[in-house]
Amino acid sequence: DGGITQSPKYLFRKEGQNVTLSCEQNLNHDAMYWYRQDPGQGLRLIYYSQIVNDFQKGDIAEGYSVSREKKESFPLTVTSAQKNPTAFYLCASSIRDRVSNEQFFGPGTRLTVL
Amino acid sequence: RKEVEQDPGPFNVPEGATVAFNCTYSNSASQSFFWYRQDCRKEPKLLMSVYSSGNEDGRFTAQLNRASQYISLLIRDSKLSDSATYLCVVNSIQGAQKLVFGQGTRLTINP
Repeated sequence: DGGITQSPKYLFRKEGQNVTLSCEQNLNHDAMYWYRQDPGQGLRLIYYSQIVNDFQKGDIAEGYSVSREKKESFPLTVTSAQKNPTAFYLCASSIRDRVSNEQFFGPGTRLTVL
Repeated sequence: RKEVEQDPGPFNVPEGATVAFNCTYSNSASQSFFWYRQDCRKEPKLLMSVYSSGNEDGRFTAQLNRASQYISLLIRDSKLSDSATYLCVVNSIQGAQKLVFGQGTRLTINP
């Protein structure tokens, strides 16, 4: 089955620790995205990548880092510099170079920093 | 001003009712418009794209008014399974595939 997987589903970390969230897709999509959602809020873009080995900051990139070494993988690291890391993190992918295309989402990771 | 704004909700309506959601966007150069549905504690899923001429998919009708920078979603004969949060989404021309999400409107259909 084609789709996007994120792991783990729930993640608990102590304050001050870096943590890496996994995102893998087998849809052969060029573009991948990371969003953050807080309770009662819309999605906010953290980072996005339109091709391998290239990525751009979104609207709230501070305290986060990404890599895009393979087309199917786009891991997100939440660093200790992120002041309020507890949130629902969503990864998405889409076909590149089509403005009106759909973004497909993974099931998300709920990160709680204790 | 937020780039995409939706009715704050929540909406609580009886089964079988018609419900309408409204959304405004600030970037007049936006080209793509969508409604996504998000169930509680799940990922968003595309409900429908919104075209200039308006489009319909079963009980769902989406309208776009570019002059007023306004998007709407109408749900007719609502079902219990329509209970969800509805997200208005607009592309940002700063990056061709950057999407901007509204905060969502929560809908509960009551039996």
